Amino acid sequence: QVQLVQSGGEVKKPGASVKVSCKASGYTFTTYGINWVRQAPGQGLEWMGWISGYNGKTNYAQKFQGRVSMTTETSTNTAYMELRSLRSDDTAVYYCARSPGVYTHFDYWGQGTLVTVSS
Amino acid sequence: QSALTQPASVSGSPGQSITISCTGTNSDVGDYNYVSWYQQHPGKAPKLMIYDVNKRPSRVSNRFSGSKSGNTASLTISGLQAEDEADYYCSSYTSISTFVFGTGTKVTVL
Repeated sequence: QVQLVQSGGEVKKPGASVKVSCKASGYTFTTYGINWVRQAPGQGLEWMGWISGYNGKTNYAQKFQGRVSMTTETSTNTAYMELRSLRSDDTAVYYCARSPGVYTHFDYWGQGTLVTVSS
Repeated sequence: QSALTQPASVSGSPGQSITISCTGTNSDVGDYNYVSWYQQHPGKAPKLMIYDVNKRPSRVSNRFSGSKSGNTASLTISGLQAEDEADYYCSSYTSISTFVFGTGTKVTVL
C-alpha cells in the first residue's frame, strides 16, 4: 500500500533553516510528483510547491520563491523540503502529498511534521 | 493568489444531504476541471474525497459527489453520518501553474 512517512517534529529559532523528509513506499517513486502543503495552527491548507519524482523539476508558490528548496533522492525514494530564514509565522504542520500528474490532485498524504519556530 | 471561498460551517442531521460550495475565479475553478476536495479530521492528515471535479477514488463512499458550474464547485454529502463530521477543503489548479486551497468548511452532524 502507498505510504508517505515524514520525519519528526522540529523546533527552530528565527532565522534558522529546517529540512523535512518524506519517504515513499508502495509505488514507483519516479512516476509521481510530491507536493508540500502546510497548515498553521487552527488555519487552512497552503500549497508550497511540487517536485517531479521523475526528473526533479520543481514549481514553487511565489510566496516561497527564494526561501524554499525541494529535492528528491531516488535511491531511497525520499523527498525533502528545506525552508530557510524561518519566522514565527512559519510555525505549522508540513505535509508531503503525492500527485499523479502536474495539474492534478493529491491522492496520498504523509502524517505531517510539526515545525515550531520560537526564540 | 487568493484562497477559494467556502462557507465557514455547514450542518445537517443524520441521513440528510448537505452541499459545500467553493467559489473561485476564471483563473482557477472556472478555467480548469482540476478541482479536488479533501476531508480532514482533527489532528489527522487530509484525505482525498473527490478529484477532477466529480471523480471519486475507489476507497471513498459513493455518498460523496462533486460538481461545478462556472466559477463555483460543490461537494455534496448524501445520507450524512456522524463520521462525516470534519473539516473539508477544496483545491484548484490555477492559470499560473500553482494550486490554491479553499478557506475550509467545518461540517457538523447535529
